[in-house]
Amino acid sequence: NAGVTQTPKFRVLKTGQSMTLLCAQDMNHEYMYWYRQDPGMGLRLIHYSVGEGTTAKGEVPDGYNVSRLKKQNFLLGLESAAPSQTSVYFCASGTLKRTQYFGPGTRLLVL
Amino acid sequence: GQQLNQSPQSMFIQEGEDVSMNCTSSSIFNTWLWYKQDPGEGPVLLIALYKAGELTSNGRLTAQFGITRKDSFLNISASIPSDVGIYFCAGQTSGSRLTFGEGTQLTVNP
Repeated sequence: NAGVTQTPKFRVLKTGQSMTLLCAQDMNHEYMYWYRQDPGMGLRLIHYSVGEGTTAKGEVPDGYNVSRLKKQNFLLGLESAAPSQTSVYFCASGTLKRTQYFGPGTRLLVL
Repeated sequence: GQQLNQSPQSMFIQEGEDVSMNCTSSSIFNTWLWYKQDPGEGPVLLIALYKAGELTSNGRLTAQFGITRKDSFLNISASIPSDVGIYFCAGQTSGSRLTFGEGTQLTVNP
């Protein structure tokens, strides 16, 4: 039981490049989330999903897209990366009791 | 949107001391969660609180869900060096979305 895993762990992009971050969970959770963490700002919700095939916007969705084609996977896409998207990205999955379990994070640097 | 005020922002304590941190909100929450984040890692759930007034312990950690449902505190007793990290509170109303505090950075001096 690996819990929540994220791929890649670290990535450097040039402005305008695109990339996809992959989150996978093996706990059969319905809910999955993408957050970004910036110094002094805690965790901010980008997008989330309450089930396979569904997605919804969070607090800071602009510049990101997501897809949940399979229950165990939640993908976060950056179509045209900007320096403001330099951050640490965390995926989480949740239970019916609403607790959330986090992955180890993806560190993204946009030059 | 909803905001959580978490305090203090940072704490520097000696090993063996007790620690207390809290979160307050202008909005009512139905659930309070406390997480710890070690450097380079994702947040790990410490304690979950589901009822107003609930007091829950997890080893040396104790957390309470405020009666007004607008606040929560976390206490750590007899701190040890491995308690170092960032502690986050998170509140939830309906649905599954969480609102996070900005974190309390804890440093424990041996």
